Amino acid sequence: QQQVKQSPQSLIVQKGGISIINCAYENTAFDYFPWYQQFPGKGPALLIAIRPDVSEKKEGRFTISFNKSAKQFSLHIMDSQPGDSATYFCAALGGANNLFFGTGTRLTVIP
Amino acid sequence: DAGITQSPRHKVTETGTPVTLRCHQTENHRYMYWYRQDPGHGLRLIHYSYGVKDTDKGEVSDGYSVSRSKTEDFLLTLESATSSQTSVYFCAIRDVYEQYFGPGTRLTVT
Repeated sequence: QQQVKQSPQSLIVQKGGISIINCAYENTAFDYFPWYQQFPGKGPALLIAIRPDVSEKKEGRFTISFNKSAKQFSLHIMDSQPGDSATYFCAALGGANNLFFGTGTRLTVIP
Repeated sequence: DAGITQSPRHKVTETGTPVTLRCHQTENHRYMYWYRQDPGHGLRLIHYSYGVKDTDKGEVSDGYSVSRSKTEDFLLTLESATSSQTSVYFCAIRDVYEQYFGPGTRLTVT
C-alpha cells in the first residue's frame, strides 16, 4: 500500500509557467515532508522540505504548500525553466527514520 | 553528493548468484540507508543502519541482508539474486532530518 500518493504522473509546462505537483498521505505520525529532484542517471537531490507546523515554505522559485487537516502537500515551481525538467518525488518521514516516497512526477518544461 | 560513493555503478549478474553492493561515506554520519527504485514505485527502503553493527529492516527487506562493520561502509547483499531484484539501488545518509543520496547502482539480474 502506497503510504504517500503523488499526482500527476507526468506534467508538461511551458517555459515561464507554474508547475504544480500534489501529494497526499494518511499517517498522521508523519512529521517531515521533503521534496526531491532527480535527473536521469543521478541520485535524488533534496530540493526543499517542510514540517507540519508550517503551512508554506518558499525557497527561490520553489514553494511547498502544506494542508495538515487535509493531509495534503504540494510543490509549486514558479517561472518554470527547461532546466527544471526532471522527476520530482515527494516523501514523508515516519517513525524509525523511514522515508516513504511518492511514485514520482516527470516534469517537462517546453522552451 | 554528501560524500557518498557507491560501487559498482553498474552490474549484470545471473540468477542465483550472490551480489554485494557497497556504500561508502566520508562524513561520519551515524545513519545509512539502502533503497531500491523501480518505475511506478518511487523509492522503497530495504534496510537501514543506525550505527556500527546496528541495522534494521525496511519496507522491502526480503531477499536482502546488510552489514556495517565500520561507520563509513554499509554493504547490501543479495544472497541469491532473482530477476525481481533488477533495479537501481541507492544508498543514503541522514543529517539531522535530511537524507542525502548517492549516485546509485544499476543492477540487472538475467
